[in-house]
Amino acid sequence: QGQLVESGGGVVQPGRSLRLSCAASGFSFKDCGMHWVRQAPGKGLEWVAVIWYDGNNKYYVDSVKGRFSVSRDNSKQMLYLQMNNLRVEDTGVYYCGSERRGYRDYWGQGTRVTVSS
Amino acid sequence: QAVVTQEPSLTVSPGGTVTLTCGSSTGAVTSGHYPYWFQQKPGQAPRTLIYDTTTRHSWTPARFSGSLLGDKAALTLSGAQPEDEATYYCFLSYTGARAFGGGTKLTVL
Repeated sequence: QGQLVESGGGVVQPGRSLRLSCAASGFSFKDCGMHWVRQAPGKGLEWVAVIWYDGNNKYYVDSVKGRFSVSRDNSKQMLYLQMNNLRVEDTGVYYCGSERRGYRDYWGQGTRVTVSS
Repeated sequence: QAVVTQEPSLTVSPGGTVTLTCGSSTGAVTSGHYPYWFQQKPGQAPRTLIYDTTTRHSWTPARFSGSLLGDKAALTLSGAQPEDEATYYCFLSYTGARAFGGGTKLTVL
């Protein structure tokens, strides 16, 4: 049974950096596009970034361009989100999820990021 | 980036039928947007009910169905149950980017 487990969240001051990780197991990670999605407290879901199955294409929501970077290591079945120059408005729960046309998706339970002075 | 629109709130009676819709600022929603529908209950992580427009997950009750309705994606709930009270999010794929709708808070009352 496929599973995604996020880690790396925590409390950080504005302007600092944090790296989130997402460990995949039980499905063909190397064949899936992978997403990061977040949810601010009391707000809706917001798509953050996607990386193609081979890592060759990456796309971001406008509000994180130039600050966040998504990457993956297919040999380790790991997805990462490097978050630099964090802002208070980046606070929320971050989820990773998979995407592969014609196949079911998988989503993690999330990791909490709090940006506060 | 595109804006995805959903009804902010809807109410359905127990046993009733309701349709939630999902529109796009770029024009008609098609199967090429690979619409997803997520369900989220308070304090829980979201979970996918429908992907690729119409495909249910193994845990998705048959009373939920996905479709294209006019120029929108739609999630129809037939025979609403109290446990279906939740917020539902539509998720669309564009060339490169993706986007969620603002969510529809569904009340079963």
